[in-house]
Amino acid sequence: GNSVTQMEGPVTLSEEAFLTINCTYTATGYPSLFWYVQYPGEGLQLLLKATKADDKGSNKGFEATYRKETTSFHLEKGSVQVSDSAVYFCAATMKNTGTASKLTFGTGTRLQVTL
Amino acid sequence: DGGITQSPKYLFRKEGQNVTLSCEQNLNHDAMYWYRQDPGQGLRLIYYSQIVNDFQKGDIAEGYSVSREKKESFPLTVTSAQKNPTAFYLCASSTGTGAEQFFGPGTRLTVL
Repeated sequence: GNSVTQMEGPVTLSEEAFLTINCTYTATGYPSLFWYVQYPGEGLQLLLKATKADDKGSNKGFEATYRKETTSFHLEKGSVQVSDSAVYFCAATMKNTGTASKLTFGTGTRLQVTL
Repeated sequence: DGGITQSPKYLFRKEGQNVTLSCEQNLNHDAMYWYRQDPGQGLRLIYYSQIVNDFQKGDIAEGYSVSREKKESFPLTVTSAQKNPTAFYLCASSTGTGAEQFFGPGTRLTVL
């Protein structure tokens, strides 16, 4: 089956620092890839996505590129803010023949940004 | 506004009681899902449904049951057979295969 591995946290950065959260996947075929963000006590919000190799997803200053050769989808941001403090989840889903897609999640990486 | 609602946000039950968590969506999505999240862990799939009157077990279905009588609604029942029910439960929906899933705000269930 599919699996997603992401770097363990917590990651603690100062405001305006560069962020990288690593994510690699194992799948047969070419999954769609996602980054979700979860703020305390809330559900998950889609941050960005990529559906095929070399696609770059971007949103709110965050970026991630679908790298087929390294089976990776690392999340980056050039300058983090305190408001970016949250838990970030990498996820993958296969394009099945049915109408539902089972998402496989990484364990999440907690980011804490300090002043 | 379109979205997914879950109620209640916090739920307390005594051990041995069944409890039903509500999930409603007005996004006109065909597929709906239930996940369980434990502290410091990722999400695990409990059940999912592709269409009305159809649902499949996920990775941790034991001790849970669902129904899908309407497209908009996908309630989850946590039965007394679930050995460790205290967790954060998330409902999601999607348009179809390969598409992103949209999540509700979650219900935190505590069994006393």
